[in-house]
Amino acid sequence: SQKIEQNSEALNIQEGKTATLTCNYTNYSPAYLQWYRQDPGRGPVFLLLIRENEKEKRKERLKVTFDTTLKQSLFHITASQPADSATYLCALLGAYGQNFVFGPGTRLSVLP
Amino acid sequence: DADVTQTPRNRITKTGKRIMLECSQTKGHDRMYWYRQDPGLGLRLIYYSFDVKDINKGEISDGYSVSRQAQAKFSLSLESAIPNQTALYFCATRESSGATDTQYFGPGTRLTVL
Repeated sequence: SQKIEQNSEALNIQEGKTATLTCNYTNYSPAYLQWYRQDPGRGPVFLLLIRENEKEKRKERLKVTFDTTLKQSLFHITASQPADSATYLCALLGAYGQNFVFGPGTRLSVLP
Repeated sequence: DADVTQTPRNRITKTGKRIMLECSQTKGHDRMYWYRQDPGLGLRLIYYSFDVKDINKGEISDGYSVSRQAQAKFSLSLESAIPNQTALYFCATRESSGATDTQYFGPGTRLTVL
């Protein structure tokens, strides 16, 4: 069956360090993958999209990689700050390109 | 003003009641979605609409119905609410072009069914 997993439910890191979040999927062949940020009580906010023919994408302190062989995406936040504390969701374009399927999310806490 | 709005933001109701959640958008997008979010399960798709005349069931449509009244409005109804429909509900629009594919979410409606 199709499945999307994110490495852990929660991740705590020290301010200034690099946070690395993982998204693994099985039985999908996504054309692209997205990452969203969600703050408590709010809707997800789009961060980055990476296509299957792109190995890496960057936006300011964010970096996303996409390995279609490993069926995995890594999401990095460099020089993390307490303001980066949130839940991060990955999403894949599902079969037939009609809808997105979301992972369960990883709650990141950046400790001062 | 927010691009995607949802009303109400919070609702407490009783088992068996009919509930309508409303979503409006000013982004001019044709595609609109309804999701529910439960702890540990992520976002799951209930219904989606590619335009006013095109409505489709998602992964978990049982117990729900929708109405696309206009390009800007997409409502979700629970015909007879039950406690396991207690969740956070999100409406979203989607912008898809050659350069981007992005969903824009509303602030959510927290629904509690007693």
